[in-house]
This record gives sequence, structure tokens and C-alpha cells, in this order.
Amino acid sequence: QKEVEQNSGPLSVPEGAIASLNCTYSDRVSQSFFWYRQYSGKSPELIMSIYSNGDKEDGRFTAQLNKASQYVSLLIRDSQPSDSATYLCAPANDYKLSFGAGTTVTVRA
Amino acid sequence: EPEVTQTPSHQVTQMGQEVILRCVPISNHLYFYWYRQILGQKVEFLVSFYNNEISEKSEIFDDQFSVERPDGSNFTLKIRSTKLEDSAMYFCASSPPDRAQTQYFGPGTRLLVL
Repeated sequence: QKEVEQNSGPLSVPEGAIASLNCTYSDRVSQSFFWYRQYSGKSPELIMSIYSNGDKEDGRFTAQLNKASQYVSLLIRDSQPSDSATYLCAPANDYKLSFGAGTTVTVRA
Repeated sequence: EPEVTQTPSHQVTQMGQEVILRCVPISNHLYFYWYRQILGQKVEFLVSFYNNEISEKSEIFDDQFSVERPDGSNFTLKIRSTKLEDSAMYFCASSPPDRAQTQYFGPGTRLLVL
């Protein structure tokens, strides 16, 4: 079983729509959860962190965490063409991030 | 805003040669990391470093790899005898003392082993 699973996509959404990204993880001792954005050929850029069950909003981004279901999600509201990238889910266990393969999002103008 | 920096941005080397990848973490950060990403694959953890010693390392981080903080600002990854399969993007990351798991990544060094 993969440690971190994400739908690979591509997820194509029209500009202004909501993009919904899902992630499941297998390590129950993961303490913190992070979403990174990675443009092609670039490094991961931190966009959201979430530590406890429930929702966390930051601008156009909302992260949701359900530790019992080992599930974390990211919503991108009012999607813009600049949001076109690969989004990486990364649970943390101690000082190690375990990355998923990422979901590629394409926002159509 | 402070950023993690890495040098060189690209490095080409011959199989069997030693390479040193350099990183300057964000100045007040205390935790340092190396990750790698083989083209088309996911980002993989290599090693974490705190208080001048390795905190955790992955199975990838074998005896060919070493890390060092030679002074107060630099953090290096050495690969002693490079293999073709070491070709990848290598990312350095650092995190602040109050949020050790919140990692900020540098731009990466693209290593090509011929």
C-alpha cells in the first residue's frame, strides 16, 4: 500500500470554479499535514498546513483533515490560470515529510 | 522574505565522481533537510539534520551520502561516488525552531550523472 495516495489527474477546471483535491495516507502517527504546490521544473512551495481535524481556510484555499479516516483534502476556490500546477499532499511524521505523487490541476481560461 | 538558496542550480558529473551540493537555509531555522525528485517521480525524503547531527535518514541515504554543516550558514550534501541513478533534482529545506515540521524548500540542484 502506498504511504500517500492522491488522484494523479489531470484535474481540469474552468476559471472561477472550485478545484477539489483529495489525499489519503496510511501512517496513523502522522501529526501534521501540508499541501505544497509545484510548478513544472520548480521546487515545492508551501501553501497550507493543517494539524487538527476540521477545516482551515487561508484566502482561496481550504484544507480539511479527518484523522479517523486518514484523509486530507484541499479546495481551491475561484480557480485562476496561475493555479495550474501539481499539488502535493505531505503528511509529517517527526521531521520527515512523505509526499504523494501529486494531482495535476489545469485551470482553463 | 527570506528564502532557502542552493548552488549550483545544475551540475553534470561523470559516474564515480564526488559531488557536493550546497544549501544556505533560512537564517533563524534550526532544522535542515535534503529531498530528491527523480524526473517524473515523487519527492523523496533523504535526511533530516538538527543540532549538528542526523535526526533521521531514509533507506536511500546509504554510505555514499553524507551531510555537513561546515559553518553557521551552509548545509551540504555530498555524494561520494555518483551512480547513474543518482540523477535527480535535489532539494534542500529548512524549518523554524517553533514549527519544526513546516519545511520551506530551496529551488533545487539538478544533478545529471553521465
